[in-house]
Amino acid sequence: DAGITQSPRHKVTETGTPVTLRCHQTENHRYMYWYRQDPGHGLRLIHYSYGVKDTDKGEVSDGYSVSRSKTEDFLLTLESATSSQTSVYFCAIQEYNEQFFGPGTRLTVL
Amino acid sequence: DAKTTQPPSMDCAEGRAANLPCNHSTISGNEYVYWYRQIHSQGPQYIIHGLKNNETNEMASLIITEDRKSSTLILPHATLRDTAVYYCIVRDKAAGNKLTFGGGTRVLVKP
Repeated sequence: DAGITQSPRHKVTETGTPVTLRCHQTENHRYMYWYRQDPGHGLRLIHYSYGVKDTDKGEVSDGYSVSRSKTEDFLLTLESATSSQTSVYFCAIQEYNEQFFGPGTRLTVL
Repeated sequence: DAKTTQPPSMDCAEGRAANLPCNHSTISGNEYVYWYRQIHSQGPQYIIHGLKNNETNEMASLIITEDRKSSTLILPHATLRDTAVYYCIVRDKAAGNKLTFGGGTRVLVKP
């Protein structure tokens, strides 16, 4: 699993509340990614990071922000959660030519 | 990233080889072909990748046509644990290492 953990693994929240998901890695990888996956779809990139304090947008970044203040942690924040952000969120790291994925966080916004 | 086309689903008999096709007719010269799979509710798992030559590892073989417009992932002896969605992805390493997932092929291995 390349030392990737995600927290929380499950969360239920209400529309309009802020939510922060955490991705933690133990192997000092430079690149980290946040994806979301909705039923019947492949993963879609939200944001990614190529180093501490270096981040960029993916294809579905609206409504999300990220921060990376240290190598091992990549945080995904929903400033004001909406029902359309109900999804499974996967974090990934890049090692050589491969991306390794975390176990996922299932987020439900009521 | 170039788009890929895969059949939405396929069945395979346990113990037989599973051949998963992928079309990537607009692939450019510096784009690699990657395969990932996703077992239900888990994060995607890297399988194999290649540029021009055929590749083999402990999980699978990747056959890329000479014109690079299509490829086939081969699982040599499918097991029930190989039931998953398989994604074929083309990626330009220069493009921030991002992966663009399509719909994939849902493979069901039957006893």
